[in-house]
Amino acid sequence: GQQLNQSPQSMFIQEGEDVSMNCTSSSIFNTWLWYKQDPGEGPVLLIALYKAGELTSNGRLTAQFGITRKDSFLNISASIPSDVGIYFCAGRRGGSNYKLTFGKGTLLTVNP
Amino acid sequence: SAVISQKPSRDICQRGTSLTIQCQVDSQVTMMFWYRQQPGQSLTLIATANQGSEATYESGFVIDKFPISRPNLTFSTLTVSNMSPEDSSIYLCSVEDYGTRGDGYTFGSGTRLTVV
Repeated sequence: GQQLNQSPQSMFIQEGEDVSMNCTSSSIFNTWLWYKQDPGEGPVLLIALYKAGELTSNGRLTAQFGITRKDSFLNISASIPSDVGIYFCAGRRGGSNYKLTFGKGTLLTVNP
Repeated sequence: SAVISQKPSRDICQRGTSLTIQCQVDSQVTMMFWYRQQPGQSLTLIATANQGSEATYESGFVIDKFPISRPNLTFSTLTVSNMSPEDSSIYLCSVEDYGTRGDGYTFGSGTRLTVV
């Protein structure tokens, strides 16, 4: 089946640093979604992207839908301790195909 | 955005037994999705539950092992049958959601299952 390659697998950063993570695919997606999962919780949607080239922000988070529709990145600026968690990208092909394909996740640790 | 209540939040079960997980949504939704998240892993779709029809299972998942009910547009259950330690995972339900962050999928908080 389809797979999303998400990198890096984990990151250890200092509070205040910027973070970047990305996802790539061999297939085209029509929607890219970025989620954050805290321990003991389900994933929470951070940003949704619908068009190639789209750049969307949500506070300190910025995500882009790649021009080729096969990749996306998420940036977090000025990280804070509560940014700790696992970040997942997910792609949806669209139309009648409503299924999400998830990346393997990026574990972010922020040292205060 | 939709609010999902999932029960139980966690359970420890004996091998060979079955556990039924409930998912309640605060609004009517057409499709509900059940995912499995094995320890330290990503989310894998088990099946899609539509009201009034049989659930659609993904490759590697079968109805005998994971029977699903969808009696109405706000509720679904997933049963993990004849459990073995390999079934120890987080099980999550999800719905398609047209919330303030755009079209996405909202997830319940999950059921953490440990099989001993």
